[in-house]
This record gives sequence, structure tokens and C-alpha cells, in this order.
Amino acid sequence: SQQGEEDPQALSIQEGENATMNCSYKTSINNLQWYRQNSGRGLVHLILIRSNEREKHSGRLRVTLDTSKKSSSLLITASRAADTASYFCATRWVDKIIFGKGTRLHILP
Amino acid sequence: DVKVTQSSRYLVKRTGEKVFLECVQDMDHENMFWYRQDPGLGLRLIYFSYDVKMKEKGDIPEGYSVSREKKERFSLILESASTNQTSMYLCASSFGLRGVQNTEAFFGQGTRLTVV
Repeated sequence: SQQGEEDPQALSIQEGENATMNCSYKTSINNLQWYRQNSGRGLVHLILIRSNEREKHSGRLRVTLDTSKKSSSLLITASRAADTASYFCATRWVDKIIFGKGTRLHILP
Repeated sequence: DVKVTQSSRYLVKRTGEKVFLECVQDMDHENMFWYRQDPGLGLRLIYFSYDVKMKEKGDIPEGYSVSREKKERFSLILESASTNQTSMYLCASSFGLRGVQNTEAFFGQGTRLTVV
């Protein structure tokens, strides 16, 4: 399997704290993407980082990519209750997009 | 807004039945994908297509086939449904990588299939 791995599998933090999730992958990539899934629904794209980029920001999201270590991290700053969801990284190589197993994030009030 | 529509939200089928899951996208995307999602296993790629009538196996193609006769439609077929195919099925589409910057996937709402 070429599936990536997110770490941790589950994460609970207090509202207002920062949440960090990590992703490791095995294959060559053109880009790496992060998605969010609210309970029982489809996935929503959050942010994309290309293989020649090292860091990218979008609002409260910060993504880093280290292609030498085949790893990425997603930082969500100043977490909110609405951030409670599952987060998936996905790697793209040509026409194929492969997802990891996800991190379940729970924001405590 | 991109729309990816899956034909059914919930489906119950009997063991041995032939099952068709339909997916339609309205953004002229070249690529379409079928995944299944199971607790603790994340999303696993079943098949994907990069053009009309073109398809490639993903990580778990056994027991499934696909059809892409038109660019906007990608069908997943369970030739003879079995209980271990009970799962959430997610369809997605995206632009092809060549010459396009944003190649993220857009997802349908999913079909929860139960095989009894």
C-alpha cells in the first residue's frame, strides 16, 4: 500500500490552543494536500503545497513540507469548536491521489 | 462552485447482487476517483480515471470495476456484492496535473452501502 500515515491518530486540545498534525508518506509526490471531514460527510480541501515549496499559510492554517524526510505537518492556530473534525493528508503523483488514515481532532470548550 | 453528485446517500443491497454507484461532476475535470472509507483505515483508493474510457487500479480494486463512458460520469460497479464491501464510498474529481496549478480533489457526499 502507498497510503500515508497521520500522527497522532487522535488529538484533544482546549479551545484557543494550537493543534499540530503530522503526515508521513512513502512515494514521490507532485503536491501534498490537507482535507477536513466533518462527521459522516464528504471531504473538504483545506490547503495544497507543491513539492518545491517548504511552507504555506492560509488563514489559521500553516503547512510545512520536507520532501527529504517525506513528511508534512499541519498547524491550526487559535483552535475553535468548529475545528472539531477528522483531518487527512493526501499525496498527489501525476493522476493519482492517495490519502492517509487521518487524525481525529476534538476541541474542548 | 464545483459539484460532485453521488446518486444515493444510503443503499442496502443483498449478497450476490450487482451494484452500481454513480458519480457525476460538473467542472469538466479530467480525473475522477472512487474511494472507500472504513473506520481506522482512512480512505483507500479503489479505481481512478484520467480520461474518458481510461482507468487505473488503485490499492484495493478486487471485487470492483468501473466505467467512464462520458467525461462527467464515473460509475463504480460491485460485480457480486459481499458483506465485506459494506462501507462508505466516496467519489471525487479534479483537474489533471498537466498545465493546471490547483489540482485538489472535490468530493461528493458519499454513499453508505450496506450489504446484507
